[in-house]
Amino acid sequence: KQEVTQIPAALSVPEGENLVLNCSFTDSAIYNLQWFRQDPGKGLTSLLLIQSSQREQTSGRLNASLDKSSGRSTLYIAASQPGDSATYLCAVFSYSGGGADGLTFGKGTHLIIQP
Amino acid sequence: DARVTQTPRHKVTEMGQEVTMRCQPILGHNTVFWYRQTMMQGLELLAYFRNRAPLDDSGMPKDRFSAEMPDATLATLKIQPSEPRDSAVYFCASGTGASGGTEAFFGQGTRLTVV
Repeated sequence: KQEVTQIPAALSVPEGENLVLNCSFTDSAIYNLQWFRQDPGKGLTSLLLIQSSQREQTSGRLNASLDKSSGRSTLYIAASQPGDSATYLCAVFSYSGGGADGLTFGKGTHLIIQP
Repeated sequence: DARVTQTPRHKVTEMGQEVTMRCQPILGHNTVFWYRQTMMQGLELLAYFRNRAPLDDSGMPKDRFSAEMPDATLATLKIQPSEPRDSAVYFCASGTGASGGTEAFFGQGTRLTVV
């Protein structure tokens, strides 16, 4: 059964810093990996999708990398801003002999950017 | 503006009552997920449909929960009878894919409180 771990669980940094959020998964049989953002009391907003054949994806100040063989992904946030404060969730879409297993989530990194 | 729509947004009910949550996936999406989010467990996959057929509902307590897709524009999650431990936020997500993985787009969730 796929397991997804995110480190750190919480992070508080001053505005302007570059930061890295980590995600690891136990089973490399994945179709893709997706990073989400969740604001308090809200739904999940998709940030980046990396297909299993890709190494990285970029969107604005965000860059996500994927090393499928080692079961790791990182989300890099450049020049952080107070508006980046949220919980960031990593999810992998796995497959097994029986077909697609669905999207498994980590527990998230709660990020606070101090003004 | 294509989005996943969930109703109701909030529901308070007494233990033992039936609860029905509804989800309208993004038009054209053929994959639907139901998740439950709690502080302790994070996001747990309850059910997963592709082309209206259930692919995985192993995460759902079968004695009280049921999930269906009466048609391509409506997914339902029903709890009967509800219990206080069912209190959580229930999310629906949709995506596209002939097979394998898909990018998932989430609704705003239904916050359920069972008293």
